[in-house]
Amino acid sequence: GAVVSQHPSWVICKSGTSVKIECRSLDFQATTMFWYRQFPKQSLMLMATSNEGSKATYEQGVEKDKFLINHASLTLSTLTVTSAHPEDSSFYICSASGGVGYTFGSGTRLTVV
Amino acid sequence: GESVGLHLPTLSVQEGDNSIINCAYSNSASDYFIWYKQESGKGPQFIIDIRSNMDKRQGQRVTVLLNKTVKHLSLQIAATQPGDSAVYFCAETVTGGGNKLTFGTGTQLKVEL
Repeated sequence: GAVVSQHPSWVICKSGTSVKIECRSLDFQATTMFWYRQFPKQSLMLMATSNEGSKATYEQGVEKDKFLINHASLTLSTLTVTSAHPEDSSFYICSASGGVGYTFGSGTRLTVV
Repeated sequence: GESVGLHLPTLSVQEGDNSIINCAYSNSASDYFIWYKQESGKGPQFIIDIRSNMDKRQGQRVTVLLNKTVKHLSLQIAATQPGDSAVYFCAETVTGGGNKLTFGTGTQLKVEL
């Protein structure tokens, strides 16, 4: 079946630094990647949608300059949290779609101290 | 619609009983629905899906019911097992509308021995 690998699974960073999260589709071409954020005991909130080779489309209220998304190939998308602050601490999850269905990564727990 | 909330509703069932998890969706234009299971610290795992031209679909130990009139979705789990303990989310999308998935609030299922 379709597999999406997300790394790192957890990261701790200092306030003001940047963190990059990778999402790879291992056995299919992901024409569309989705990035979600999930706070404890809450649902997944879509942050942005990216299509390979195009700029990401951000949901209302998500700062595109803070959450940089790159989808340069059909198998790799990255989310960079720039100038991270404690309120950015959350569980970030990617999802990839090759046109049929959605496959989720295992998530990245980001803690900003 | 947006999913907000400070806590997840909880459903507690005895091992071996049937579980019914409900979900109200918001967009009457949604035509594809998916149920996901999420274990702590992991990404969502696909359980079963249904398209709007159907009102029932069965899988192994799971059944999804769709009532478009009242915009209601349910997931039935037969003979619930301890391994079924997790958070369950319904998700909706409009085919061709960017294919964005919108997640429901979620329900915490606890299976008691």
